[in-house]
Amino acid sequence: DAKTTQPNSMESNEEEPVHLPCNHSTISGTDYIHWYRQLPSQGPEYVIHGLTSNVNNRMASLAIAEDRKSSTLILHRATLRDAAVYYCILRDFNSGYALNFGKGTSLLVTP
Amino acid sequence: NAGVTQTPKFQVLKTGQSMTLQCAQDMNHNSMYWYRQDPGMGLRLIYYSASEGTTDKGEVPNGYNVSRLNKREFSLRLESAAPSQTSVYFCASRTGYSGAEAFFGQGTRLTVV
Repeated sequence: DAKTTQPNSMESNEEEPVHLPCNHSTISGTDYIHWYRQLPSQGPEYVIHGLTSNVNNRMASLAIAEDRKSSTLILHRATLRDAAVYYCILRDFNSGYALNFGKGTSLLVTP
Repeated sequence: NAGVTQTPKFQVLKTGQSMTLQCAQDMNHNSMYWYRQDPGMGLRLIYYSASEGTTDKGEVPNGYNVSRLNKREFSLRLESAAPSQTSVYFCASRTGYSGAEAFFGQGTRLTVV
C-alpha cells in the first residue's frame, strides 16, 4: 500500500471547523482513501472514505485533491468528543489486506 | 448491537505462560483481523483471515498463532508470552469489499511480567 503523511498533532477550538491534512503522493488509481479515528482507550472507528470525489456523511467531509495526491478531512464544528487520533489510510481496490495504520494526527480540542 | 466482542478486556500473564484472546463478530463479515498497539504507536497487523478457512501473516506475526474457528470467531494465541508482547490487542472485521468499513472491538489490554 502507498504511504501517507500526516502532521503529528493539531489543535482546534471547540465549535470551530477543523481541517486535517493528509499527503499521499504515491497513491495509485485503485487506492481508496480511508479515515479512521481512535478516541482515548477505545478501538478505532470508521469516519469516512472516498476514491475520487468529495464525500460527506454525518460525521465529516472528505475533500480529495484533483490529482488525488492529498486529501483533507473536515470536521465542520469540533466538539470536545472529537479529540482523538485521526488516521488517513490508503487501501487498494483489489487488495484483500487489512488497513495499515500509521501514527496519525492527534487532535486536541480546547473549550 | 454487539458488533465485535473481545474477551478478556484485561489480562496479566507471567513470562512463558500461554493464553488465547477471543474475538467474535455478529455482522456476518468475511474478513477478520488482529492488531496490536503499543503506547504512542499506531496499530500493527498481526494476522488476518480474509475468509473462513484462511489465515495469513501480517506485519508482526512472530510469537502468535491464530485460528478462524468459524465465520464468527477468530482467536489469537500466545504460546509462550514475553514482556515484548505487552500491548493492547484489537480485533476487527469487515465484509471484505475493499471500500468497506472495518469495525473494531474495544481491545484487550495485556501485560506480561
